[in-house]
Parts: sequence; C-alpha cells; structure tokens
Amino acid sequence: EAGVVQSPRYKIIEKKQPVAFWCNPISGHNTLYWYRQNLGQGPELLIRYENEEAVDDSQLPKDRFSAERLKGVDSTLKIQPAELGDSAVYLCASGGSRRGDTGELFFGEGSRLTVL
Amino acid sequence: EDQVTQSPEALRLQEGESSSLNCSYTVSGLRGLFWYRQDPGKGPEFLFTLYSAGEEKEKERLKATLTKKESFLHITAPKPEDSATYLCAAGGSQGNLIFGKGTKLSVKP
Repeated sequence: EAGVVQSPRYKIIEKKQPVAFWCNPISGHNTLYWYRQNLGQGPELLIRYENEEAVDDSQLPKDRFSAERLKGVDSTLKIQPAELGDSAVYLCASGGSRRGDTGELFFGEGSRLTVL
Repeated sequence: EDQVTQSPEALRLQEGESSSLNCSYTVSGLRGLFWYRQDPGKGPEFLFTLYSAGEEKEKERLKATLTKKESFLHITAPKPEDSATYLCAAGGSQGNLIFGKGTKLSVKP
C-alpha cells in the first residue's frame, strides 16, 4: 500500500514569491495534518483536518498561509508571500479514523523549502 | 501550557553500549505518549504508543516505558543502524500532538 505522498521534495524560491505543497494521504485515512519542522526541532502543527473540515488551525499564520483539503482526500498548503523565516521542512501526515489513534501518524518524506 | 522536553539532545554510543533516552511531559488530559524515529531527510516513523503509567512496549532492541511524568526509551545493545533522531510526542486533550525536539542518537561500530 502506498504511503503518504508529498511534492515537491525540494523547493527554492526568493522571498515574496508564492509556493505550494501537495499531499496525498493514505487511502481511507480521514485525518490529515500539516506540520512544519525547523532544523534541530520537532514538528510543529500548522493545521489538522478531519475529512474536509479544518478542526485545528490555531497555529497557522493566516496572513500568509492557507490550506485546503478537497473532497476530504488530497491537500494543498500555500504560502504567499514567502519570508526568509519560512525556510523549513513541511511534513504531511495522515491517521486512521479509529478513536485513540490520534498519535499513530504516518508521515510523508516532507517538502524542504529554502527561501532566499 | 502543554510541553514536552527530551534529553539528552544528542547521544553517542558504542555498538553494544546500552542507554536510555528521556521524555518529560506536562500535558493536561494526556491521551497517549508516542515515540517516533526519524532518519535524515525522512519523515518520522511511528514506533510505540503508551497510554497509562506502568505500561511498557518492546520492539527489537527498543523498549518504551511510561510514568506519570516521563517516558523512557531504553536501547539495549544498539547497532549502527539504530542511529537516528528519536522523537517523543504527547497527545493532548484536544486531539493535538505535541512533539519534543528529539534526541539524536549516533551508534559507532
């Protein structure tokens, strides 16, 4: 079975440019997460979806970040405009629908963003 | 404020030298303590879930334990392939997951 698929794996842009990341979760997983991981740090939650509903977006910088999850499957995370401090790895994860499985997440390989 | 702290930040071991990694947490309404392994350039890979104090889980050379305030990841007779960053995460009452910064383990042959 395919795991969580993310693209692109790497992206280099200049500041003030837009960028978008795409995630395809594991089939049947209704929970999808976007995390940001800075070098030497643990992942930090940006947004969590239950099906197509964003149930936790309290840590998403809404002035420049946006996300959507179409039909409760694929998701896109967008940054516009990007700032130097946005350089990080953006991780997508999905989880099963059973209660109590909220911590057993399956992560993609991440999208590494470098803002120059 | 919910918080997860891991120590040490980095650990170097010789092959076969057993040790432990620590994860202390302050989380209201804990809904599980989770351990992940992360290799360079990869996403975290799930290892264990612990739900209650006294619980233990084992997988090959790894054993995770849980108390009311902390969790330990014991590594017995490690091999070079165990080298990775080990992340601890606590499940909060709101369904969120709070990660620590991780412990980078290096095992030398």
